[in-house]
Amino acid sequence: KAGVTQTPRYLIKTRGQQVTLSCSPISGHRSVSWYQQTPGQGLQFLFEYFSETQRNKGNFPGRFSGRQFSNSRSEMNVSTLELGDSALYLCASSLQGQFSTEAFFGQGTRLTVV
Amino acid sequence: SQQGEEDPQALSIQEGENATMNCSYKTSINNLQWYRQNSGRGLVHLILIRSNEREKHSGRLRVTLDTSKKSSSLLITASRAADTASYFCATDGGANNLFFGTGTRLTVIP
Repeated sequence: KAGVTQTPRYLIKTRGQQVTLSCSPISGHRSVSWYQQTPGQGLQFLFEYFSETQRNKGNFPGRFSGRQFSNSRSEMNVSTLELGDSALYLCASSLQGQFSTEAFFGQGTRLTVV
Repeated sequence: SQQGEEDPQALSIQEGENATMNCSYKTSINNLQWYRQNSGRGLVHLILIRSNEREKHSGRLRVTLDTSKKSSSLLITASRAADTASYFCATDGGANNLFFGTGTRLTVIP
């Protein structure tokens, strides 16, 4: 079956702009989580959606938001971009939630803010 | 922070040797998982060990878990050049998200 698909793979944005990243989970998976990976902070949890509801949220400012659609596809949005938002953004899907089963990750979206 | 720590941060070995990485975490867990990441790409799930398990095997991988010490180890036997990657442990911390360790960068020299 198809894996987790993230689009776009690479993105360059200017400070102050906003960006929307997309994630299509594995068919049948209802949980989608987002992570930010930077050299300095490592992998940090952003938020998790399950059946269109945000179930958990990490410690990120309100500029970071997300949503999940009825087909489980998810988007995350970052408004008023800052240089420090440059990172690899990873999306992961799992059947019910990542505490009980493995998570399947997409290849990520590399965001560069200039 | 609930983030775990891996030790060592970097490891370089010859092909055919065994590689051992350690992970320490801070809170009680339901399970602990290990993931591999090739440079700048997504994470690949390797193995999941539940809190009531002490050891688990998968091919050339062996994972141990000591909940009393809040630590886990990943052993890769007979390493190959293709094993070169970063390895992360991840714990659930009882929540619906994963807390990742800082990672061990493994280099296997052919």
